[in-house]
Amino acid sequence: GENVEQHPSTLSVQEGDSAVIKCTYSDSASNYFPWYKQELGKGPQLIIDIRSNVGEKKDQRIAVTLNKTAKHFSLHITETQPEDSAVYFCAASRYNNNDMRFGAGTRLTVKP
Amino acid sequence: SQTIHQWPATLVQPVGSPLSLECTVEGTSNPNLYWYRQAAGRGLQLLFYSVGIGQISSEVPQNLSASRPQDRQFILSSKKLLLSDSGFYLCAWSPGPAPLHFGNGTRLTVT
Repeated sequence: GENVEQHPSTLSVQEGDSAVIKCTYSDSASNYFPWYKQELGKGPQLIIDIRSNVGEKKDQRIAVTLNKTAKHFSLHITETQPEDSAVYFCAASRYNNNDMRFGAGTRLTVKP
Repeated sequence: SQTIHQWPATLVQPVGSPLSLECTVEGTSNPNLYWYRQAAGRGLQLLFYSVGIGQISSEVPQNLSASRPQDRQFILSSKKLLLSDSGFYLCAWSPGPAPLHFGNGTRLTVT
């Protein structure tokens, strides 16, 4: 089955700096890669996702890149703000949520 | 718009007691439904999923069971809780293929 590795486990940046979180996956048939943000005491919220037919997707300060050959994808947050502080999860699946596998999460802290 | 409700938000139960966590979805029909468990500092582990009433698939053999008595209702149960059942339980739904939408979770502490 799919195995998703996520790095780093913790990340601390200064407000205004960029943050990058990286994930690798094992199943070459995976074709859907979402990213979730989880704030304390809440459920994860989808922030951006990408399908395997594109290499990059942007939404304001957030972007995701995908390298299918290397089987890795990354989340990029630019101009970080204190409210970006949360735990971020990557995931991979075959566009069937029944087999969606999550990374272990990255705790991002943005220092004002 | 669609919303997902999960309750209770927190629960403290003694070892050996039963468990029932409920999840309902509004504003959609025939959703896929999921139960995940999140251990402290770890990722999300898929426990059960359902593609229709009475259809339950289990990902991990364990002390828990799930049921879907109605189209938009998903219940997680246990007859006798173990200490290892402590964790953060998340219900999620999807309209079919992606994306997954999560509830706000139930923090279960087994004492």
